Amino acid sequence: QVQLVQSGSEVKMPGASVKVSCKASGYTFIGYFLHWVRQAPGQGLEWMGRVNPYSGATDYAQKFQGSVTMTRDTSISTVYMELSRLTSDDTAVYYCARQENYYDSSDPDWYFGLWGRGTLVTVSS
Amino acid sequence: DIQMTQSPSSLSASVGDRVTIPCRASQTISTYLNWYQQKPGKAPELLIYGASNLRNGVPSRFSGSGSGTDFTLTVSSLQPEDFGTYYCQQTYSSPATFGPGTKVDIK
Repeated sequence: QVQLVQSGSEVKMPGASVKVSCKASGYTFIGYFLHWVRQAPGQGLEWMGRVNPYSGATDYAQKFQGSVTMTRDTSISTVYMELSRLTSDDTAVYYCARQENYYDSSDPDWYFGLWGRGTLVTVSS
Repeated sequence: DIQMTQSPSSLSASVGDRVTIPCRASQTISTYLNWYQQKPGKAPELLIYGASNLRNGVPSRFSGSGSGTDFTLTVSSLQPEDFGTYYCQQTYSSPATFGPGTKVDIK
């Protein structure tokens, strides 16, 4: 079925890096942008960036420029999000989400129509 | 960045109540507004896109309205399974920002 399957929970020391994966199945991988959204404990949703699985092009939120890298491997329909120089503020659930495009009165727009189940990253010494 | 606000941050309502959840953008966003429902420990799920379009499979008791800066999600008759946190999201400009959420619990 159509799904995004994320890698398992991680515990990291401050200053380390973490790499989370998101494997797509049930649809054409290169046909949809994939985004990363995180949610700190008890907090709201924060957009981090997106990757175009077809070209590999990325677009990051300014806050994460220089600390996040999003990549993809088309051979296994998987995108990755690597976050470096971790601090306790990076403790969060990280979601991948599929962008789905539509046209409303001829104007293009999009939404997150499919989400992974999330990956908990805990940063603690 | 466009700031999204949602107030109240939480509300309590009874089964059968009509519930309205507001969302405001810091600048005009036309109808580039989506609504998601999130239950504890789960990923968000899309309810409404383009301010007023009901996603296939979402119960018709959910509806969305608004344009410009002010938007509303309405649940016409609250059901026990509607507990959770509701987030609005603007896609007018990058970065696509979310509101802080309104938590709905059932009295």
